[in-house]
Amino acid sequence: EAEVAQSPRYKITEKSQAVAFWCDPISGHATLYWYRQILGQGPELLVQFQDESVVDDSQLPKDRFSAERLKGVDSTLKIQPAELGDSAMYLCASSRDLEGEQYFGPGTRLTVT
Amino acid sequence: KQEVTQIPAALSVPEGENLVLNCSFTDSAIYNLQWFRQDPGKGLTSLLLIQSSQREQTSGRLNASLDKSSGRSTLYIAASQPGDSATYLCAVRPSAGNNRKLIWGLGTSLAVNP
Repeated sequence: EAEVAQSPRYKITEKSQAVAFWCDPISGHATLYWYRQILGQGPELLVQFQDESVVDDSQLPKDRFSAERLKGVDSTLKIQPAELGDSAMYLCASSRDLEGEQYFGPGTRLTVT
Repeated sequence: KQEVTQIPAALSVPEGENLVLNCSFTDSAIYNLQWFRQDPGKGLTSLLLIQSSQREQTSGRLNASLDKSSGRSTLYIAASQPGDSATYLCAVRPSAGNNRKLIWGLGTSLAVNP
């Protein structure tokens, strides 16, 4: 069964350092999402891609966060510089189209010290 | 503004019990509703997706219903097992407006005790 892949699974970094996360969606899925989830809360959408284009990045802190999906397949989310408040689970999801069922990867647990 | 509420926040039941998890939403203009399961420290697993035109969906021991007019969805778990212990989240996709991203509940944390 096809799955969304994410790496790394865990990341510990010091504040002010740069960190990057990678996501490979299910093959054929045009829509890719990056979410941030704080313990006890629902996921918060950071950025949504349709193929290589950004559809929604209204909640992405653009002064420090960036995301790209250059060839419309895999995607990278970067934080520079990391802050203590960025500690969270970062989830990637994909769907066949903009309104389809979303499938999530295992997530990356980020701890900023 | 669409809001999604899940009650109770936590639930503990003995193994074998049938149980119902609730999801309420304030705006009936939805495109679909999706139920997810999340184990501690893990990603989300999609359980069921119900389109706005559907009344229910079934997968194994799980049955999800949708009543748009009352703004409610329920997830029914039959013959619960300890392996069902997890947090269950529902998310609603609005049918109208420029921003149709999923609106999430905070989840119900379920513990099934052997």
